[in-house]
Amino acid sequence: DVKVTQSSRYLVKRTGEKVFLECVQDMDHENMFWYRQDPGLGLRLIYFSYDVKMKEKGDIPEGYSVSREKKERFSLILESASTNQTSMYLCASSFSGRDETDTQYFGPGTRLTVL
Amino acid sequence: GQSLEQPSEVTAVEGAIVQINCTYQTSGFYGLSWYQQHDGGAPTFLSYNALDGLEETGRFSSFLSRSDSYGYLLLQELQMKDSASYFCAASLSNYQLIWGAGTKLIIKP
Repeated sequence: DVKVTQSSRYLVKRTGEKVFLECVQDMDHENMFWYRQDPGLGLRLIYFSYDVKMKEKGDIPEGYSVSREKKERFSLILESASTNQTSMYLCASSFSGRDETDTQYFGPGTRLTVL
Repeated sequence: GQSLEQPSEVTAVEGAIVQINCTYQTSGFYGLSWYQQHDGGAPTFLSYNALDGLEETGRFSSFLSRSDSYGYLLLQELQMKDSASYFCAASLSNYQLIWGAGTKLIIKP
């Protein structure tokens, strides 16, 4: 079974703090994704990565950065947390084969609260 | 822009059949996926349609019409455990998924 793990289920931070969210997958997937999920808005893509050291901006990259130094690990960084970044953060991974269904496998999520 | 539209909420009775529709407007479309998410949980993959027609997986079926930019998820013999949010997502040419906002399925006994 594919396993995607995230470093924390719940996190409380203060405005202005630097926040690191880590995601690890064990299926040797090339693609990894960071989403945030807010009520009524579905999943919005923050950043994604096709390979080690490669990253692409998603729909809402402002205020976030990412790092992918190893294939299995994709980190999301909030440089200076703000209250409007309070949200559920979901990490996902997928295989790159074009004949696949692009199925994304999700971690359990991190509920971040910024005070 | 690229978008997927689906109803925000659907209510059905236990044992009945329900259909959740999804219309999409995207470029580089490869196929349509459906995911289920229970409250507090992560989205999990249900089905995928790359070609027009119906795909059946147990009580769940999914349909795609590329010419109409339309798909639906059909859930039969509804059970209380099917209460969840259901998301349609379009596969694009660069392995991204574009997501609908989700449909909350409420099942009444």
